[in-house]
Formats: sequence, structure tokens, C-alpha cells
Amino acid sequence: GQNIDQPTEMTATEGAIVQINCTYQTSGFNGLFWYQQHAGEAPTFLSYNVLDGLEEKGRFSSFLSRSKGYSYLLLKELQMKDSASYLCAGMDSNYQLIWGAGTKLIIKP
Amino acid sequence: GAVVSQHPSWVICKSGTSVKIECRSLDFQATTMFWYRQFPKQSLMLMATSNEGSKATYEQGVEKDKFLINHASLTLSTLTVTSAHPEDSSFYICSARGGGDSYEQYFGPGTRLTVT
Repeated sequence: GQNIDQPTEMTATEGAIVQINCTYQTSGFNGLFWYQQHAGEAPTFLSYNVLDGLEEKGRFSSFLSRSKGYSYLLLKELQMKDSASYLCAGMDSNYQLIWGAGTKLIIKP
Repeated sequence: GAVVSQHPSWVICKSGTSVKIECRSLDFQATTMFWYRQFPKQSLMLMATSNEGSKATYEQGVEKDKFLINHASLTLSTLTVTSAHPEDSSFYICSARGGGDSYEQYFGPGTRLTVT
């Protein structure tokens, strides 16, 4: 079956760094997406990885290891506005997104 | 960037009535549109996938006669919740994909439906 696993909740301190992990099992693989979702709002795109390695985009970076079925989202210099749910989604051979349940990130001052 | 709009943003309706939600891609042609439902504190649940001009493909457990999807043009898809019940109250989100080499889904802002 297809499955995306990520932690339910994480807590971090403002200004710090946090890494949100995601493991995936999909029928075929066409890339791994990370989305941010604030409460009551729709998801917004953060990153897309299809090749192994680290993609850096400002304070956010995303890493992929296809051999391990593993990805992480790294958030640096955390700000209070980063408090949100972070959704990991794998794209299968039919180009359908398989969604994780999301990781709720709580930022404390 | 690509913009997707949804209308209405929120709606309250009485049990037994029908509600139509529109999803529009404003600055690109969406060959594929997706409809999701999200209950509080839960992840997105894909309801159906629609390609312009063809019938929608519904996920297992989603009643196609209850959730009518029409994707009549490359910029508009509609979801009609027929004979709504309180358990249909949820956050409905559409997303659109432009096709070609891009597989990113652009999300609309969502529609919060409350059935009383």
C-alpha cells in the first residue's frame, strides 16, 4: 500500500532550527512535495524534490533520499509565523499526491 | 504565480439543500483539478480528480451521486454537494494542475461548509 509517515506535532523555539521528517511508500515515485498550511487556510507550496539531495530556498530547505524513502524539511531562524502544519506528499506513478497527516509545528518565544 | 480562486469562501445551508462550490484557475489553464475535504485537525482527503471535458474519477468511499463534479472548461470546475447533511460540514479545497512538466498543485483558498 501507499503510505506517508510524519510526526504529529513538534515544538521549537523562536530563532532555532527544526527538522521535520517524512518517510514514504508509494507505487512508483514522481517526487516529494512539502506544503505549509495555517489553521483555517488552504495549503501553500513550499518545495518539490525529485532528485536526491538538498534543495535550499531561503530559510527553508528540503532533502530527499530516494533509496531510503525519506525526506525532511528544515526550517531555520524560526519565526512565530512559521507556526503551522507542514504536509508531506509523495507523488505516485499516476502523478497523484499521497498526503501525510501533517506535522503541527508549535513555535514558542 | 498561478492563482486559484474558490467561491464562496464560506456557506451555511440547511439540511437537505444543495450547495455549489466553484473553483477557478485565474491565470492558467488547468487540465486537471482536484477536490479535497478536510475535517478539523485532519489531513487532506482527496475526493475526486477531474480532467476537463471528462467525467471525474472519485476516490473509494466518495459518493459520486452526492458530490457532483463538473469540469466544463480549462478554468472552471464545480462541486455540488446534494442533499447536504450535517456530517457533510467540512472544509472543501480545490487544487489545479496546469499539465506539461509541472506537477505542482495550486490550491484555492478553500470553502467552509456548515450544514445546520
